[in-house]
Amino acid sequence: KNEVEQSPQNLTAQEGEFITINCSYSVGISALHWLQQHPGGGIVSLFMLSSGKKKHGRLIATINIQEKHSSLHITASHPRDSAVYICAVREGTYKYIFGTGTRLKVLA
Amino acid sequence: DGGITQSPKYLFRKEGQNVTLSCEQNLNHDAMYWYRQDPGQGLRLIYYSQIVNDFQKGDIAEGYSVSREKKESFPLTVTSAQKNPTAFYLCASSIGQNNEQFFGPGTRLTVL
Repeated sequence: KNEVEQSPQNLTAQEGEFITINCSYSVGISALHWLQQHPGGGIVSLFMLSSGKKKHGRLIATINIQEKHSSLHITASHPRDSAVYICAVREGTYKYIFGTGTRLKVLA
Repeated sequence: DGGITQSPKYLFRKEGQNVTLSCEQNLNHDAMYWYRQDPGQGLRLIYYSQIVNDFQKGDIAEGYSVSREKKESFPLTVTSAQKNPTAFYLCASSIGQNNEQFFGPGTRLTVL
């Protein structure tokens, strides 16, 4: 069993839909990181959080430390949101464990 | 513009040859990392460096080597001992207690 599990693995949505991507982990963490990987391979940091909730534009990330679970929400989805979304948890200071990613496709 | 650069974007090598992947950052970050990404798998840590002239092995260091002679630079050498070197390689850096990682654009290495 992977230490970081994401669901779903693949997701297709219509433009405008509300999207939720889930991340569950089984290890003790100091922080959780949501990343976005575009088709060219580049990775962009979306959020780093250790408690509660963060919002940036149409993106919202939440984390429940007791349940070892985080969600990434996208409101009013758009085709440009199509990408792979990766959850990574940080153990200690330098070690990250990455999920395998959720591939999102938003159709116009 | 501050950021992390990796070059080249695509690299082809013959089996048995060593190859060095470049990673440079001008973010003044202390820590730098090398990851490998394979289809269907999460990123895996090859090596990381917290400060100049110091580095530690990650989960899959066999067949790889690194150096950290300058704060800005963290080159990765893929040696002929690496059994399956074809992959996408990502460099990252971070700073401070937060240690939020920032990634380079990656290098896709294909060994023929």
